[in-house]
Amino acid sequence: AQSVSQHNHHVILSEAASLELGCNYSYGGTVNLFWYVQYPGQHLQLLLKYFSGDPLVKGIKGFEAEFIKSKFSFNLRKPSVQWSDTAEYFCAVTNQAGTALIFGKGTTLSVSS
Amino acid sequence: NAGVTQTPKFQVLKTGQSMTLQCAQDMNHNSMYWYRQDPGMGLRLIYYSASEGTTDKGEVPNGYNVSRLNKREFSLRLESAAPSQTSVYFCASNLDRSDIQYFGAGTRLSVL
Repeated sequence: AQSVSQHNHHVILSEAASLELGCNYSYGGTVNLFWYVQYPGQHLQLLLKYFSGDPLVKGIKGFEAEFIKSKFSFNLRKPSVQWSDTAEYFCAVTNQAGTALIFGKGTTLSVSS
Repeated sequence: NAGVTQTPKFQVLKTGQSMTLQCAQDMNHNSMYWYRQDPGMGLRLIYYSASEGTTDKGEVPNGYNVSRLNKREFSLRLESAAPSQTSVYFCASNLDRSDIQYFGAGTRLSVL
């Protein structure tokens, strides 16, 4: 069965620290890749997406992600986190049939000021 | 611009009771989805509807039924609620199946 693995369950950083959240998926075919963010008490919002083209994609709030096809990875990065980045982050991949998304289990990011 | 609207926001049920979670989108999207979110489990797909008139099972469909009432509305029904169905339920929609999904605010359900 297809799966998405997020390597870190909980990440704790100080403001201005750099962030990298790992995401690997199991399916080797053509996929669309997403990072969603869920701020405390809110619904999921799209952070960034990759469909095709430049494997380095930029999203909102200074986030970026790099698609490395050979490693089945789509890691999320931010050079300098802010307290307001405290949230849960989900990596998602389209399933093999292209009918739905498969989500990772999420990474909770806590940023202290 | 409402996007995806879910009702109710909160619900407490007793074991064995039934209820329907409502979802409506105003973006003229073709596909709609129901997920449940549990701590440490991420989001798991319950059912989806690729287009009006069609529904398909997702990863965790047992204990649920769905109805795609029309293009706008996709409801999720619990016929006989169980404590294992205590969760936060999210509805989502997108224009095409592999496109960006837009999420509702969620329904927090407790089954006692």
